[in-house]
Amino acid sequence: GIQVEQSPPDLILQEGANSTLRCNFSDSVNNLQWFHQNPWGQLINLFYIPSGTKQNGRLSATTVATERYSLLYISSSQTTDSGVYFCAVDPYNTDKLIFGTGTRLQVFP
Amino acid sequence: DTEVTQTPKHLVMGMTNKKSLKCEQHMGHRAMYWYKQKAKKPPELMFVYSYEKLSINESVPSRFSPECPNSSLLNLHLHALQPEDSALYLCASSPEGRAKNIQYFGAGTRLSVL
Repeated sequence: GIQVEQSPPDLILQEGANSTLRCNFSDSVNNLQWFHQNPWGQLINLFYIPSGTKQNGRLSATTVATERYSLLYISSSQTTDSGVYFCAVDPYNTDKLIFGTGTRLQVFP
Repeated sequence: DTEVTQTPKHLVMGMTNKKSLKCEQHMGHRAMYWYKQKAKKPPELMFVYSYEKLSINESVPSRFSPECPNSSLLNLHLHALQPEDSALYLCASSPEGRAKNIQYFGAGTRLSVL
């Protein structure tokens, strides 16, 4: 089956720093979503981005489907950005969303 | 409104108990999902309901029994669980029965099996 790997696995930042999270996938996909899971377990949709670039405030994402990767940029990080970031893909010929391995982000004041 | 509501938020049960998890959405979505998430791991798909019919069962043990009474409601009935079933159980919904639609998640039920 498809493999979805995220890097880095852990990231520690001071408030105000910028970061880039990466999602690599091993096969072609219909779509890709980025989620933020807060410390209480809630999964929050960040982006639905099968290809191209999108921006939402301090966050932006880029997916290069032909090269099978996606990037999530966080600028001017805040303590509320802490949590785990997952990418999730929908491989062709399935109805499933396959989650990546996750990046655990901790932002300190 | 993109809200998926799960109850209860926390549940502790013994191995001989029967309990149910509930998930509700009022967005008119026609697909609903159950995921299981162990600590420090990504969510794993358990079941998919599309137009109130079970479309995917990821070889989940029969001690987990899903039910979709109507298009807004999804239940997960639990019976004779094992301690290793302790996890966060997440419900999600999407507009149609294809994963290419955006999935919206509830806050989850933290289950502890003693």
